[in-house]
Amino acid sequence: SQTIHQWPATLVQPVGSPLSLECTVEGTSNPNLYWYRQAAGRGLQLLFYSVGIGQISSEVPQNLSASRPQDRQFILSSKKLLLSDSGFYLCATEGQGSGYTFGSGTRLTVV
Amino acid sequence: AQSVAQPEDQVNVAEGNPLTVKCTYSVSGNPYLFWYVQYPNRGLQFLLKYITGDNLVKGSYGFEAEFNKSQTSFHLKKPSALVSDSALYFCAVRDSVGDYKLSFGAGTTVTVRA
Repeated sequence: SQTIHQWPATLVQPVGSPLSLECTVEGTSNPNLYWYRQAAGRGLQLLFYSVGIGQISSEVPQNLSASRPQDRQFILSSKKLLLSDSGFYLCATEGQGSGYTFGSGTRLTVV
Repeated sequence: AQSVAQPEDQVNVAEGNPLTVKCTYSVSGNPYLFWYVQYPNRGLQFLLKYITGDNLVKGSYGFEAEFNKSQTSFHLKKPSALVSDSALYFCAVRDSVGDYKLSFGAGTTVTVRA
């Protein structure tokens, strides 16, 4: 079965500092990967998705970027964080039966 | 285009009473439908899915959902709610044709009081 690892679990960063969140997947090859942001404990906003190494699609224009340097690695980055980047970030991949498997998430607070 | 609506932000029930969380969807083709649950500061956990077959789908923790094509609905139900069912619930849909991106509803917070 698939497993997604996300780290760190929590992060407090000052405004203007860089960001790097990492997501790795086990138990599958060539997965489709997704980054979501959840603000204020509510709905999920799709930020980026990737269908393969080096292939990134952005769903919304913003201060963030994503990269996929390896088949099972997906990284979310920012050069300079804004207060509005605070939120709960979730990595996901397609699980069995066409649904998604989610990582445990990263709580980012920009201060 | 595909979309999901969860018309209730919050559902409150007493323990032991039946629980229903509503979901309606819109897709161009046939729907693949999912329910997820999220506990505070955790990732989403899969509850159940409808792909094809029986309209009544049974999932984890005693939950079930009924697919109704004419009403484009996929309501989540549990006959007897537990306090531990208190969480945030998401309905999701993807079209049977096209890419694999899921569309999520805004979520419904369920509170089960003792």
